[in-house]
Amino acid sequence: DGGITQSPKYLFRKEGQNVTLSCEQNLNHDAMYWYRQDPGQGLRLIYYSQIVNDFQKGDIAEGYSVSREKKESFPLTVTSAQKNPTAFYLCASSPSGDRGHYGYTFGSGTRLTVV
Amino acid sequence: QKEVEQDPGPLSVPEGAIVSLNCTYSNSAFQYFMWYRQYSRKGPELLMYTYSSGNKEDGRFTAQVDKSSKYISLFIRDSQPSDSATYLCAMSSNYKLTFGKGTLLTVNP
Repeated sequence: DGGITQSPKYLFRKEGQNVTLSCEQNLNHDAMYWYRQDPGQGLRLIYYSQIVNDFQKGDIAEGYSVSREKKESFPLTVTSAQKNPTAFYLCASSPSGDRGHYGYTFGSGTRLTVV
Repeated sequence: QKEVEQDPGPLSVPEGAIVSLNCTYSNSAFQYFMWYRQYSRKGPELLMYTYSSGNKEDGRFTAQVDKSSKYISLFIRDSQPSDSATYLCAMSSNYKLTFGKGTLLTVNP
């Protein structure tokens, strides 16, 4: 079955460390996204990529970095510059065309905790 | 004013009740309007989408969009305990989604 795989499901990080969250899709979608979800905050866009080797900052990009070297993969690095990284991170992808508006598929998320 | 406003609840109803969930928005450029359901510790899944104004029905679920009032609604008829989840409204402009904060719904048996 096609879908999005995020790993790991749970991640613990010490303060001052960088960590990388994995996101892989086999849906042949062009666009991929990273969102952060905090209690009572909804989903906020961190970065998005509409094509390989290109990506744009979302609303809360500070302290994060991404790469898009392959269509299937869009890893997110949470750097030590991110002041409050504890959150639930969701990766999504969407196809091109009109379905790009409503055809988002989300992964199951990675819960990152700073210890 | 935030682009999308959604009452976070929580909302608790008895099994069989009709549930009404709502969002308001300020950006006139939004054209696609979606409702997502998210179970605890899972990713959101698309329930319904509507293009422009009007109603759309799918089983026990009805989505309504009133662009003149910048107001969207999701109605759930004959609610079931399995409907207990967080419901997120989302709107699309230039292929980027803007989400409401989500409403936590509990349907009690």
